[in-house]
Amino acid sequence: EAGVTQFPSHSVIEKGQTVTLRCDPISGHDNLYWYRRVMGKEIKFLLHFVKESKQDESGMPNNRFLAERTGGTYSTLKVQPAELEDSGVYFCASSQTGGRTYEQYFGPGTRLTVT
Amino acid sequence: AQTVTQSQPEMSVQEAETVTLSCTYDTSESDYYLFWYKQPPSRQMILVIRQEAYKQQNATENRFSVNFQKAAKSFSLKISDSQLGDAAMYFCAYRSGGAQKLVFGQGTRLTINP
Repeated sequence: EAGVTQFPSHSVIEKGQTVTLRCDPISGHDNLYWYRRVMGKEIKFLLHFVKESKQDESGMPNNRFLAERTGGTYSTLKVQPAELEDSGVYFCASSQTGGRTYEQYFGPGTRLTVT
Repeated sequence: AQTVTQSQPEMSVQEAETVTLSCTYDTSESDYYLFWYKQPPSRQMILVIRQEAYKQQNATENRFSVNFQKAAKSFSLKISDSQLGDAAMYFCAYRSGGAQKLVFGQGTRLTINP
């Protein structure tokens, strides 16, 4: 079974440009999460999808970030325009629906560098 | 809001020895879960061990075990018989019983010396 995949693995862009990160969850997982780790700090939650609906977007830092999950399959996270403080590693995770002890499976992350 | 603190940015241990990674958390909830995740260099983060707050018995998974002190809000990870493959970043995480999102600590980088 394929795990969570993320693309690209690394992106370097200039301040003011736009970047789109993609996450493909494990097949059949309705829950999809985005997290990010900035400058060696703790990993922070960004948002949670259940299928195509945003269940919790309390961690989204500002309106420069737009997440979508059309059709309830893969998800994209767009940063527009990117700022220097957006640099970090963006993780995607997915989990099954049902049960309280379901595990979140993480992707390898996308390292975003804004110069 | 819940917080998780890992006070050891880096730890090192000799191969075959035992090491304990510390984690404390702050919450007013009674229903929650605690996790230890491992992220090897350039690899995906994987779940090492999970503890339900309502369980008094400490969770164990082979060479990995936890010391869950609910009153003290402490959740340390003990790795016995350390192996080279245990070298990784270790993250402690908290999840409310009624929520989905994980709250992470800052991470501890563990080095295994041969």
